[in-house]
Amino acid sequence: SQQGEEDPQALSIQEGENATMNCSYKTSINNLQWYRQNSGRGLVHLILIRSNEREKHSGRLRVTLDTSKKSSSLLITASRAADTASYFCATRRSGGYQKVTFGIGTKLQVIP
Amino acid sequence: DVKVTQSSRYLVKRTGEKVFLECVQDMDHENMFWYRQDPGLGLRLIYFSYDVKMKEKGDIPEGYSVSREKKERFSLILESASTNQTSMYLCASSSPTSGPTDTQYFGPGTRLTVL
Repeated sequence: SQQGEEDPQALSIQEGENATMNCSYKTSINNLQWYRQNSGRGLVHLILIRSNEREKHSGRLRVTLDTSKKSSSLLITASRAADTASYFCATRRSGGYQKVTFGIGTKLQVIP
Repeated sequence: DVKVTQSSRYLVKRTGEKVFLECVQDMDHENMFWYRQDPGLGLRLIYFSYDVKMKEKGDIPEGYSVSREKKERFSLILESASTNQTSMYLCASSSPTSGPTDTQYFGPGTRLTVL
């Protein structure tokens, strides 16, 4: 299975609600990133959290990292229709491993 | 702003054809990457490059090759296209000096169909 696995694979919420997506991984990491992809487009970087950080904020985004559970969550508060997209976590393994590995993604639909 | 461009948004080729996908970035990034994206499989790394004329295999290099003759340009080559190479191809670039380490900047993607 993949290094980063998002959960749920699909999520549908009403505008104004909060959306929470989770990512689990298997090996020790150097950092973890979240990206967004609008339909049929390239990915856009949202936020990076390092292995020694536990929480990070950027606007309406809040990311947490629990290295003991090898998991991360992305919270989008007060969601908007424009947040409709797929969200991917990406991990860089520790120990000098250079590659970044992407998960399968969570497809978020925000209903106006 | 970083800009990564890909030569085509949509491409249709026939089985056995040689296919070139071009990617250009304008931010002097050292690192460039080629991924393919398939439903249910996410992004899988095909090849990456840390410098001009340098290349490293990713997770699924079979059936592909790459070329990096200039820093800004990274080409993906399908030597003999097959139907199982029908996919969305995404190019990305990164540099430790342009933001948090490992942040990748993606192009818009090329949706390749092999008939």
